[in-house]
Amino acid sequence: DAGVIQSPRHEVTEMGQEVTLRCKPISGHNSLFWYRQTMMRGLELLIYFNNNVPIDDSGMPEDRFSAKMPNASFSTLKIQPSEPRDSAVYFCASSSSGASYEQYFGPGTRLTVT
Amino acid sequence: QQPVQSPQAVILREGEDAVINCSSSKALYSVHWYRQKHGEAPIFLMILLKGGEQKGHDKISASFNEKKQQSSLYLTASQLSYSGTYFCGTPDSGSARQLTFGSGTQLTVLP
Repeated sequence: DAGVIQSPRHEVTEMGQEVTLRCKPISGHNSLFWYRQTMMRGLELLIYFNNNVPIDDSGMPEDRFSAKMPNASFSTLKIQPSEPRDSAVYFCASSSSGASYEQYFGPGTRLTVT
Repeated sequence: QQPVQSPQAVILREGEDAVINCSSSKALYSVHWYRQKHGEAPIFLMILLKGGEQKGHDKISASFNEKKQQSSLYLTASQLSYSGTYFCGTPDSGSARQLTFGSGTQLTVLP
């Protein structure tokens, strides 16, 4: 059974460019989370979707960040324009609506903005 | 509000025990524990629920003290495979699924 799939695994881009990160959650999971991890700030929740609807985006740093979930099997996180301080590992995680609150994390996308 | 973890780092020999603490300034209804190995994604270990029993995962167990708003993770007879960073996560008021993670405890087990 496939886990959470993220692409690309690594992204190097120049400041000012648009970056799109992609996530495919585990089939049947109806909650999806985007996290950002840096040494300085740790593991931060950016946005949380439930049944494809954004529930809380208060963790999104600023308007340069946007996230969508057009269907149950796909989500994107876009940064436009990107800045060097956006360099981080971005994780997508999903969970089911059952009694277990376990979140399954994808392998992450390592973003470097030069 | 981010939970506070202690210690920040611990180094021990294979076979030794360790305790990692997680505390919060707000009322807790659950505490979630994850482990992340270097260069990998976090992996779920266990969840402690208010009024629930102490949980266990192999030789890793945890307790949850609701009154003190804290949880402790116990690693017994540590194995090399236990090395990694341990995070506790506490739910935000809006949703039990929405977690705020502590800054992590880096555990290194030496042979």
